[in-house]
Amino acid sequence: EVQLVESGGGLVQPGGSLRLSCAASGFIFSDYSMHWVRQAPGKGLEYVSAIGGYDGRTYYADSVKGRFTISRDNSKNTLYLQMGSLRAEDMAVYYCAREMGGWKYYDFWGQGTLVTVSS
Amino acid sequence: DIQMTQSPSSLSASVGDRVTITCRASQDISNSLAWYQQKPGKVPKLLIYAASTSQSGVPSRFGGSGSGTDFTLAISSLQPEDVGSYYCQKYDSDPPTFGQGTKVEIK
Repeated sequence: EVQLVESGGGLVQPGGSLRLSCAASGFIFSDYSMHWVRQAPGKGLEYVSAIGGYDGRTYYADSVKGRFTISRDNSKNTLYLQMGSLRAEDMAVYYCAREMGGWKYYDFWGQGTLVTVSS
Repeated sequence: DIQMTQSPSSLSASVGDRVTITCRASQDISNSLAWYQQKPGKVPKLLIYAASTSQSGVPSRFGGSGSGTDFTLAISSLQPEDVGSYYCQKYDSDPPTFGQGTKVEIK
């Protein structure tokens, strides 16, 4: 059974940093590109970042470029999102999601972790 | 970047009604479109990909159509468990962009 379990969310002050993790199981992690997608309270879905399975090539939304860094450790089946210079508009539930079939849509999602940016 | 526009933003329909949600891309995306359902308080679930291919396990009352710039998600007979928000997503090129969502309620 595919499982994606996020952790690391919490309360952080504006300008602060936070690292999210997503532990994967039930599939060959290195075979899949992985993504982070976020959802602000009461709002829609927003793509954040992606990373290739083997090549580790990374992609970012313009809204987070230069502030967030996506990475993965295939030996630990874990995806990461290092977030820095956090702003109020970064407050959201952050989901990790598995890319399906080599195309950038998602067949499995984690349960999400809430990041609150407030002083 | 290509923009995705969904309509309506919300709708209310009776159980058994046929419901349609449209999604328009600002440029041709061929058939690179997915639809997701997000029930209240739950995680998004993939319904449709490649504009019209149903994900395994999705009830047959859900159907997708369209290509190019205009797409439709149809629910042939609305059920109480279909309440929630529906999002389209284009994935032909970076960034993979979502529509703003359509909230579906039961009248």
